[in-house]
Amino acid sequence: AQSVTQLGSHVSVSEGALVLLRCNYSSSVPPYLFWYVQYPNQGLQLLLKYTTGATLVKGINGFEAEFKKSETSFHLTKPSAHMSDAAEYFCAVVIQGAQKLVFGQGTRLTINP
Amino acid sequence: SQTIHQWPATLVQPVGSPLSLECTVEGTSNPNLYWYRQAAGRGLQLLFYSVGIGQISSEVPQNLSASRPQDRQFILSSKKLLLSDSGFYLCAWSKGGYEQYFGPGTRLTVT
Repeated sequence: AQSVTQLGSHVSVSEGALVLLRCNYSSSVPPYLFWYVQYPNQGLQLLLKYTTGATLVKGINGFEAEFKKSETSFHLTKPSAHMSDAAEYFCAVVIQGAQKLVFGQGTRLTINP
Repeated sequence: SQTIHQWPATLVQPVGSPLSLECTVEGTSNPNLYWYRQAAGRGLQLLFYSVGIGQISSEVPQNLSASRPQDRQFILSSKKLLLSDSGFYLCAWSKGGYEQYFGPGTRLTVT
Protein backbone atom coordinates (compact mmCIF):
# COMPACT_ATOMS: atom_id res chain seq x y z
CA ALA A 1 0.00 0.00 0.00
CA GLN A 2 1.10 3.53 -0.67
CA SER A 3 1.90 6.02 2.06
CA VAL A 4 3.16 9.58 2.27
CA THR A 5 5.30 11.19 4.94
CA GLN A 6 5.71 14.94 5.15
CA LEU A 7 8.66 15.84 7.31
CA GLY A 8 7.84 18.77 9.55
CA SER A 9 4.30 19.70 10.45
CA HIS A 10 5.38 23.35 10.67
CA VAL A 11 7.98 25.17 8.60
CA SER A 12 8.85 28.82 9.08
CA VAL A 13 10.97 30.87 6.66
CA SER A 14 11.71 34.53 6.16
CA GLU A 15 10.24 36.46 3.27
CA GLY A 16 12.60 36.10 0.31
CA ALA A 17 14.20 32.91 1.62
CA LEU A 18 14.11 29.48 0.02
CA VAL A 19 11.07 27.34 0.73
CA LEU A 20 11.66 23.60 1.04
CA LEU A 21 8.83 21.29 2.04
CA ARG A 22 9.71 17.63 2.26
CA CYS A 23 7.67 14.68 1.06
CA ASN A 24 8.65 11.02 0.97
CA TYR A 25 6.44 8.30 -0.37
CA SER A 26 6.22 4.56 -0.16
CA SER A 27 4.95 2.63 -3.15
CA SER A 28 5.77 -0.72 -4.70
CA VAL A 29 5.02 0.58 -8.19
CA PRO A 30 5.75 3.90 -9.91
CA PRO A 31 3.43 6.47 -8.40
CA TYR A 32 1.81 9.65 -9.53
CA LEU A 33 2.59 12.48 -7.10
CA PHE A 34 0.88 15.75 -6.30
CA TRP A 35 1.26 18.85 -4.17
CA TYR A 36 -1.76 20.80 -3.01
CA VAL A 37 -2.05 24.11 -1.15
CA GLN A 38 -4.83 25.05 1.25
CA TYR A 39 -5.45 28.59 2.44
CA PRO A 40 -7.46 29.08 5.65
CA ASN A 41 -11.09 28.02 5.36
CA GLN A 42 -10.73 27.11 1.70
CA GLY A 43 -10.55 23.93 -0.33
CA LEU A 44 -7.33 22.42 -1.65
CA GLN A 45 -5.81 23.79 -4.84
CA LEU A 46 -3.55 21.71 -7.06
CA LEU A 47 -0.03 23.19 -7.19
CA LEU A 48 1.67 20.66 -9.43
CA LYS A 49 1.77 17.01 -10.38
CA TYR A 50 4.21 14.36 -11.55
CA THR A 51 2.97 11.49 -13.68
CA THR A 52 5.64 10.47 -16.18
CA GLY A 53 8.43 12.14 -18.12
CA ALA A 54 10.46 15.05 -16.79
CA THR A 55 11.24 14.57 -13.12
CA LEU A 56 11.38 18.30 -12.39
CA VAL A 57 7.88 19.71 -12.57
CA LYS A 58 6.86 23.31 -12.36
CA GLY A 59 3.63 24.47 -10.85
CA ILE A 60 1.70 27.60 -10.10
CA ASN A 61 2.92 30.49 -7.95
CA GLY A 62 6.59 29.77 -8.69
CA PHE A 63 6.70 26.37 -6.99
CA GLU A 64 8.44 23.34 -8.38
CA ALA A 65 9.12 19.78 -7.24
CA GLU A 66 11.54 17.07 -8.27
CA PHE A 67 10.70 13.38 -8.36
CA LYS A 68 13.67 11.36 -7.12
CA LYS A 69 12.95 7.67 -7.43
CA SER A 70 16.18 6.60 -5.69
CA GLU A 71 15.25 8.69 -2.66
CA THR A 72 11.48 8.08 -2.91
CA SER A 73 11.06 11.81 -2.52
CA PHE A 74 9.04 14.61 -4.08
CA HIS A 75 10.13 17.75 -2.24
CA LEU A 76 8.49 21.08 -2.99
CA THR A 77 10.62 24.19 -3.42
CA LYS A 78 10.31 27.87 -4.18
CA PRO A 79 13.41 30.07 -4.53
CA SER A 80 11.99 33.12 -2.79
CA ALA A 81 9.13 33.04 -0.30
CA HIS A 82 6.36 35.58 -0.42
CA MET A 83 3.97 36.46 2.37
CA SER A 84 1.11 35.11 0.27
CA ASP A 85 2.70 31.63 0.37
CA ALA A 86 1.63 31.18 4.00
CA ALA A 87 -0.72 28.19 3.90
CA GLU A 88 -1.01 24.45 4.52
CA TYR A 89 0.65 22.21 1.95
CA PHE A 90 -0.26 18.60 1.27
CA CYS A 91 1.67 15.96 -0.65
CA ALA A 92 -0.34 13.11 -2.17
CA VAL A 93 0.34 9.87 -4.04
CA VAL A 94 -1.69 7.50 -6.19
CA ILE A 95 -0.77 4.48 -8.24
CA GLN A 96 -2.11 3.77 -11.70
CA GLY A 97 -5.49 2.15 -11.59
CA ALA A 98 -6.29 3.27 -8.07
CA GLN A 99 -9.26 5.50 -7.42
CA LYS A 100 -7.98 7.23 -4.29
CA LEU A 101 -5.25 9.67 -3.40
CA VAL A 102 -3.23 9.06 -0.25
CA PHE A 103 -2.42 12.34 1.46
CA GLY A 104 0.34 13.29 3.85
CA GLN A 105 -0.54 14.98 7.11
CA GLY A 106 0.29 18.42 5.79
CA THR A 107 2.91 21.07 6.48
CA ARG A 108 1.95 24.51 7.69
CA LEU A 109 4.18 27.13 6.11
CA THR A 110 4.66 30.41 7.93
CA ILE A 111 6.42 33.37 6.31
CA ASN A 112 8.19 35.84 8.60
CA PRO A 113 8.47 39.46 7.42
CA SER B 1 -14.44 24.60 -17.64
CA GLN B 2 -15.40 22.53 -14.63
CA THR B 3 -16.62 23.93 -11.33
CA ILE B 4 -17.56 22.32 -8.05
CA HIS B 5 -20.02 23.72 -5.56
CA GLN B 6 -20.68 22.88 -1.95
CA TRP B 7 -23.40 24.11 0.33
CA PRO B 8 -23.96 25.28 2.84
CA ALA B 9 -20.66 27.07 3.48
CA THR B 10 -21.11 26.97 7.24
CA LEU B 11 -23.49 25.06 9.47
CA VAL B 12 -24.11 24.91 13.21
CA GLN B 13 -26.17 21.95 14.33
CA PRO B 14 -27.07 20.50 17.75
CA VAL B 15 -26.02 17.02 18.77
CA GLY B 16 -28.55 14.44 17.61
CA SER B 17 -29.85 16.49 14.69
CA PRO B 18 -29.74 15.27 11.07
CA LEU B 19 -27.25 16.45 8.48
CA SER B 20 -27.30 16.91 4.74
CA LEU B 21 -24.38 18.41 2.82
CA GLU B 22 -24.54 18.73 -0.93
CA CYS B 23 -21.88 18.81 -3.60
CA THR B 24 -22.41 19.34 -7.32
CA VAL B 25 -20.01 19.40 -10.23
CA GLU B 26 -20.52 21.26 -13.49
CA GLY B 27 -18.79 20.95 -16.83
CA THR B 28 -17.96 17.24 -16.83
CA SER B 29 -19.76 13.91 -16.87
CA ASN B 30 -19.30 10.70 -14.90
CA PRO B 31 -16.64 12.04 -12.56
CA ASN B 32 -15.33 10.20 -9.53
CA LEU B 33 -16.59 12.01 -6.44
CA TYR B 34 -15.11 12.12 -2.95
CA TRP B 35 -16.03 13.33 0.55
CA TYR B 36 -13.25 14.24 2.98
CA ARG B 37 -13.23 15.58 6.51
CA GLN B 38 -10.62 17.73 8.21
CA ALA B 39 -10.78 17.88 11.97
CA ALA B 40 -9.20 20.93 13.57
CA GLY B 41 -5.43 20.90 13.11
CA ARG B 42 -5.42 17.54 11.37
CA GLY B 43 -5.04 16.18 7.87
CA LEU B 44 -7.55 14.92 5.37
CA GLN B 45 -9.64 11.86 6.10
CA LEU B 46 -11.36 10.21 3.14
CA LEU B 47 -14.92 9.34 4.11
CA PHE B 48 -16.59 8.13 0.91
CA TYR B 49 -15.96 7.95 -2.78
CA SER B 50 -18.13 7.14 -5.77
CA VAL B 51 -17.26 6.03 -9.30
CA GLY B 52 -20.84 6.23 -10.59
CA ILE B 53 -24.49 6.81 -9.77
CA GLY B 54 -25.54 4.68 -6.81
CA GLN B 55 -21.99 3.34 -6.30
CA ILE B 56 -20.61 4.36 -2.91
CA SER B 57 -17.50 3.10 -1.16
CA SER B 58 -17.12 3.81 2.54
CA GLU B 59 -13.66 4.29 3.95
CA VAL B 60 -14.38 4.84 7.62
CA PRO B 61 -17.25 3.20 9.56
CA GLN B 62 -19.18 5.90 11.36
CA ASN B 63 -22.60 7.48 11.60
CA LEU B 64 -22.28 9.23 8.24
CA SER B 65 -23.58 8.03 4.89
CA ALA B 66 -23.28 9.21 1.32
CA SER B 67 -25.47 9.02 -1.74
CA ARG B 68 -25.12 9.87 -5.40
CA PRO B 69 -28.62 10.33 -6.79
CA GLN B 70 -27.43 11.99 -10.01
CA ASP B 71 -24.25 11.81 -12.04
CA ARG B 72 -22.80 15.08 -10.74
CA GLN B 73 -24.40 15.25 -7.31
CA PHE B 74 -22.93 13.83 -4.11
CA ILE B 75 -24.66 14.08 -0.76
CA LEU B 76 -23.29 13.49 2.72
CA SER B 77 -25.83 12.69 5.42
CA SER B 78 -26.27 11.73 9.01
CA LYS B 79 -29.37 10.79 10.96
CA LYS B 80 -27.94 11.92 14.31
CA LEU B 81 -24.89 14.13 14.61
CA LEU B 82 -22.21 13.60 17.24
CA LEU B 83 -19.86 16.20 18.66
CA SER B 84 -17.02 14.38 16.93
CA ASP B 85 -18.64 15.08 13.55
CA SER B 86 -17.50 18.70 13.76
CA GLY B 87 -14.99 19.63 11.11
CA PHE B 88 -14.38 20.98 7.66
CA TYR B 89 -15.99 18.84 4.96
CA LEU B 90 -14.53 18.86 1.50
CA CYS B 91 -15.94 17.43 -1.69
CA ALA B 92 -13.68 16.65 -4.64
CA TRP B 93 -13.94 15.27 -8.16
CA SER B 94 -11.55 13.58 -10.51
CA LYS B 95 -11.62 12.11 -13.98
CA GLY B 96 -8.96 10.20 -15.80
CA GLY B 97 -5.95 12.14 -14.65
CA TYR B 98 -5.98 11.01 -11.02
CA GLU B 99 -5.61 14.53 -9.65
CA GLN B 100 -8.59 15.67 -7.63
CA TYR B 101 -10.23 19.07 -7.68
CA PHE B 102 -11.72 20.33 -4.47
CA GLY B 103 -14.74 22.39 -3.60
CA PRO B 104 -14.72 25.34 -1.19
CA GLY B 105 -15.75 23.22 1.80
CA THR B 106 -18.43 23.27 4.50
CA ARG B 107 -17.55 24.20 8.07
CA LEU B 108 -19.73 22.09 10.39
CA THR B 109 -19.93 22.81 14.11
CA VAL B 110 -21.90 20.41 16.25
CA THR B 111 -22.93 21.95 19.57
